[in-house]
Amino acid sequence: ETGVTQTPRHLVMGMTNKKSLKCEQHLGHNAMYWYKQSAKKPLELMFVYSLEERVENNSVPSRFSPECPNSSHLFLHLHTLQPEDSALYLCASREWGRSNTGELFFGEGSRLTVL
Amino acid sequence: ELKVEQNPLFLSMQEGKNYTIYCNYSTTSDRLYWYRQDPGKSLESLFVLLSNGAVKQEGRLMASLDTKARLSTLHITAAVHDLSATYFCAVGLSNTGNQFYFGTGTSLTVIP
Repeated sequence: ETGVTQTPRHLVMGMTNKKSLKCEQHLGHNAMYWYKQSAKKPLELMFVYSLEERVENNSVPSRFSPECPNSSHLFLHLHTLQPEDSALYLCASREWGRSNTGELFFGEGSRLTVL
Repeated sequence: ELKVEQNPLFLSMQEGKNYTIYCNYSTTSDRLYWYRQDPGKSLESLFVLLSNGAVKQEGRLMASLDTKARLSTLHITAAVHDLSATYFCAVGLSNTGNQFYFGTGTSLTVIP
């Protein structure tokens, strides 16, 4: 596989469930991101992992928990979500450094519906 | 927090016409990116602009960057239906390394 792969592509869960979204990048990049895309809202940066450091958006609720076991894999653990968390969750990766363009490469997204 | 504003939010144009999408941002940045998103799809990188005065062109799309005005434009020339999509600009902040901030997006519909 090439690029950035996200699984599952679609997920329906109840508010009491626990699930995880998975992202894998095959580009050799050193930074990975989670974004939330809701209808009629800008893309919201949730978490960034780069060079083993984590940056997070302080407005993201604690019911979202990221995990980055290595530079190629990124997870988003979900628990006790709310209906307003229904959205498209996009994973992206990039190579950070002054000598490159640093553009983000996105996966196809995981469409989450919380009932 | 950095704010990135695009206008218009919605654009409906006839084939063959020209138009410009604007992207304004609120703080100093030397990295500006344009992405395209088709319905139900992910984001695809279109242009990377890394310096003041940078201009990039691909087919009917041309992007430019004015870092002093904190403004980027995406110009569409002689639009065709295949350009219908949502276009996003994104700003990278050098001082925070890896953080990207996206504009609200411009939904473009090209009418035959």
